[in-house]
Amino acid sequence: AQSVTQPDIHITVSEGASLELRCNYSYGATPYLFWYVQSPGQGLQLLLKYFSGDTLVQGIKGFEAEFKRSQSSFNLRKPSVHWSDAAEYFCAVGAYSGNTGKLIFGQGTTLQVKP
Amino acid sequence: EPEVTQTPSHQVTQMGQEVILRCVPISNHLYFYWYRQILGQKVEFLVSFYNNEISEKSEIFDDQFSVERPDGSNFTLKIRSTKLEDSAMYFCASSAPDRGSYGYTFGSGTRLTVV
Repeated sequence: AQSVTQPDIHITVSEGASLELRCNYSYGATPYLFWYVQSPGQGLQLLLKYFSGDTLVQGIKGFEAEFKRSQSSFNLRKPSVHWSDAAEYFCAVGAYSGNTGKLIFGQGTTLQVKP
Repeated sequence: EPEVTQTPSHQVTQMGQEVILRCVPISNHLYFYWYRQILGQKVEFLVSFYNNEISEKSEIFDDQFSVERPDGSNFTLKIRSTKLEDSAMYFCASSAPDRGSYGYTFGSGTRLTVV
């Protein structure tokens, strides 16, 4: 069955430090992978997505993610975290069924940024 | 940039009452979805809708739930007799005609509180 695992429920980093959020997926075919960010009380904003091609994808707000098929991972990184990056981050895999593609989300990682 | 619009942003209802959550997808999108996020938990797929019929639904989407596209612009989720456990944030999403692009756009959500 398709699934997404985000091993870290909560991460705290200092402002200016680097960040890596882990994501592992289980999916039988070539995965379509996504990272979303959710600020408190807000909706889901797409940070970046991977469909095919270059395994290092760039997103908005200075985020990037690397697809590693051998490790079934799609980790999110940012070289220098800003206080405004504090939010909930969700990794998701896209699963086709007929004409539609539902997203399967991980449990999320809460990022806290220390001044 | 085109948006998915959801109304209301917050709805409080009594247990056993019917509620209708409304969404206006992006105009040229053909695939429509509802997702749910119980407080503190991950985002879960409820249902997908294409060509005026349900394409796929999860086990959460039981007979108490229904979806409709009553006109060319709105997409609604109805819960016939709400239960306390239906309290959650409900997200509408739409995606582009090119299913390969996974051009998913989420609305800001409706927070449903059942009392």
